Amino acid sequence: TQLLEQSPQFLSIQEGENLTVYCNSSSVFSSLQWYRQEPGEGPVLLVTVVTGGEVKKLKRLTFQFGDARKDSSLHITAAQPGDTGLYLCAGALSGSARQLTFGSGTQLTVLP
Amino acid sequence: NAGVMQNPRHLVRRRGQEARLRCSPMKGHSHVYWYRQLPEEGLKFMVYLQKENIIDESGMPKERFSAEFPKEGPSILRIQQVVRGDSAAYFCASSPQGAATEAFFGQGTRLTVV
Repeated sequence: TQLLEQSPQFLSIQEGENLTVYCNSSSVFSSLQWYRQEPGEGPVLLVTVVTGGEVKKLKRLTFQFGDARKDSSLHITAAQPGDTGLYLCAGALSGSARQLTFGSGTQLTVLP
Repeated sequence: NAGVMQNPRHLVRRRGQEARLRCSPMKGHSHVYWYRQLPEEGLKFMVYLQKENIIDESGMPKERFSAEFPKEGPSILRIQQVVRGDSAAYFCASSPQGAATEAFFGQGTRLTVV
C-alpha cells in the first residue's frame, strides 16, 4: 500500500483547461513537496509546503497543504503543453527528515 | 556549478552480473540519498549516507545490494548477481545537511537486466 496516494494517475486535457492533482495520506507529514519529472530525467523540485493550511503560488501553479498536514493539492490554471510531465508529491514523515516518501505520480498530458 | 552527476546514464547487464552505479554529489554536499523508481511508480527510498558512513539503509534489500560513500570519490550503489526485477531507474540525491527535503536529484541511471 502507498503511504501517499496520488490521483488521478493519468490526466489528459486540452490546452487552456484547469486541473487539480491530489495527494492524500493517513499519516502526518512535517513537510510536503511537489516535483516534476521529465522522461529520462530526475525529479525537479517545484515547491515545499511546511505549515498546515499553507498556500503557495508559482505562476499558474497553486499548491495547498491540508490543515492536518496529511494531504496536498496542486492546481494548474490554463494548462499549456509545456506543463506535460510526471508530477510527484513527496513528504517527510514527522520525526524522519532523512528520507522522502513519494507518491506514485500523476502523468499529465496537455494537448495543443 | 555542476549538479548531482550520475553515471552511467544507461547500463545493461546480463542476469548474474554486477552493476555499479556512481553518484557525485553537488559541490559542498556531504549527504547522499539513493532512490529506486520502478516503471509506472514513484521513487522508493533505499539508503542515506554521509561521508564514510551509512546512516539509514532501511529501504535497501537485505541481499545483493550495498552502498558506500568513501572519503574521496563518488558514492557507489552496487548490485550483485542482478536479476530482471532489478531493472529500474536509480536516482541519487545530495544535500548540504542531513535533510532529504533540501536534496537535489541527479538524472538517474537506467539499469536494464537482460
